[in-house]
Amino acid sequence: SQQGEEDPQALSIQEGENATMNCSYKTSINNLQWYRQNSGRGLVHLILIRSNEREKHSGRLRVTLDTSKKSSSLLITASRAADTASYFCATDLTGGGNKLTFGTGTQLKVEL
Amino acid sequence: KAGVTQTPRYLIKTRGQQVTLSCSPISGHRSVSWYQQTPGQGLQFLFEYFSETQRNKGNFPGRFSGRQFSNSRSEMNVSTLELGDSALYLCASSPAGGYTEAFFGQGTRLTVV
Repeated sequence: SQQGEEDPQALSIQEGENATMNCSYKTSINNLQWYRQNSGRGLVHLILIRSNEREKHSGRLRVTLDTSKKSSSLLITASRAADTASYFCATDLTGGGNKLTFGTGTQLKVEL
Repeated sequence: KAGVTQTPRYLIKTRGQQVTLSCSPISGHRSVSWYQQTPGQGLQFLFEYFSETQRNKGNFPGRFSGRQFSNSRSEMNVSTLELGDSALYLCASSPAGGYTEAFFGQGTRLTVV
């Protein structure tokens, strides 16, 4: 079953614009992670935010976490054509080990 | 450091057959997790192995099994293949402690005909 729902399902923007994706989840978490997947290939880890953090930055990425609303957002600034991919949020629920529960994903297309 | 390596990359099998997929984690990583990705169900957790023991398990039938060797390499096996098992199978490795990022391989694309 999916822990998270992502919104929007698909997003098309022009190069240079910002892209915002949202993720909602259902249960308490230890951390929330964002991954990128290019066309049916492996996932690439982008950023991890812990449950006691509210905002985190990495390069052109900004992630926020609101545990009271059980939601997170990923902002990609100054997007590039190479950012075209599917983006997934994933939550880590367990008290140990690595068992990620993924959201449904947002397909981002950045056009030249 | 070499990344996570999955073999084979592509596989075509017939219904009723069995299949074994292999995953070599990043050197030093002791946790290996497996995921199934399909258009209908998305990314779903299969199981996780740590130090040769299954530490977590997802909601998949017993036809799906796995194991981990002393060098942390892992295999997953699917017996009596069904058409619905067609999917991208992804392996991810992580350092021992948990609550950290996972490093994914490129996946094995399994097609059952």
